[in-house]
Amino acid sequence: QSALTQPPSASGSPGQSVTISCTGTSSDVGGYNYVSWYQQHPGKAPKLMIYEVSKRPSGVPDRFSGSKSGNTASLTVSGLQAEDEADYYCSSFGGSRVFGGGTKLTVL
Amino acid sequence: EVQLVESGGGLVQPGGSLRLSCAASGFTFSSDWMDWVRQAPGKGLEWVANIKQDGSEEYYVDSVQGRFTISRDNAKSSLYLQMNSLRAEDTAVYYCARNRGWFRLDSWGQGTLVTVSS
Repeated sequence: QSALTQPPSASGSPGQSVTISCTGTSSDVGGYNYVSWYQQHPGKAPKLMIYEVSKRPSGVPDRFSGSKSGNTASLTVSGLQAEDEADYYCSSFGGSRVFGGGTKLTVL
Repeated sequence: EVQLVESGGGLVQPGGSLRLSCAASGFTFSSDWMDWVRQAPGKGLEWVANIKQDGSEEYYVDSVQGRFTISRDNAKSSLYLQMNSLRAEDTAVYYCARNRGWFRLDSWGQGTLVTVSS
């Protein structure tokens, strides 16, 4: 049950776009269109931001978008805002339920 | 509004036991899979276990298999996690979450802290 691979950190200036990757295998990310992304602010519970690779739950700004190519999924945050600074985790349905190691997004 | 409220966390000695509870409201509890996810201090998220709507199927991460038991009481809209033979590495905030299928966890509780230490 290996975790999905995410970069430990990412950053961008307000108004810019940033993309966070999530690499798995053909048994999880590559094999199913069931990748989710979660946002977690310090001391808070995770919040679902993207599901089924690219769908947004009600209330999530359209600045957040998701995509997938092969065994790698991506989360793009466009028009960065200060409140987007948080930890982001990917997850995928597959043989086992796994999360990525998390990416700390810093808004410069 | 969906609400999930965990309770039962605390300080326990290695080898001890603890039972976590998660009270659900605002949705039809018996219609959804439910999951437990934990987060060790300063670390990432780790899926722990989940249970089918009627309790007929349960799944666990390898590291807790045989020590933890997930259960639910649909009449009380409650989810439980019985944790036995606790180890220091089980120290974490434990979250319950609603699973809308295909590992889509769309609602989370605020978490309850479990500390395993002598």
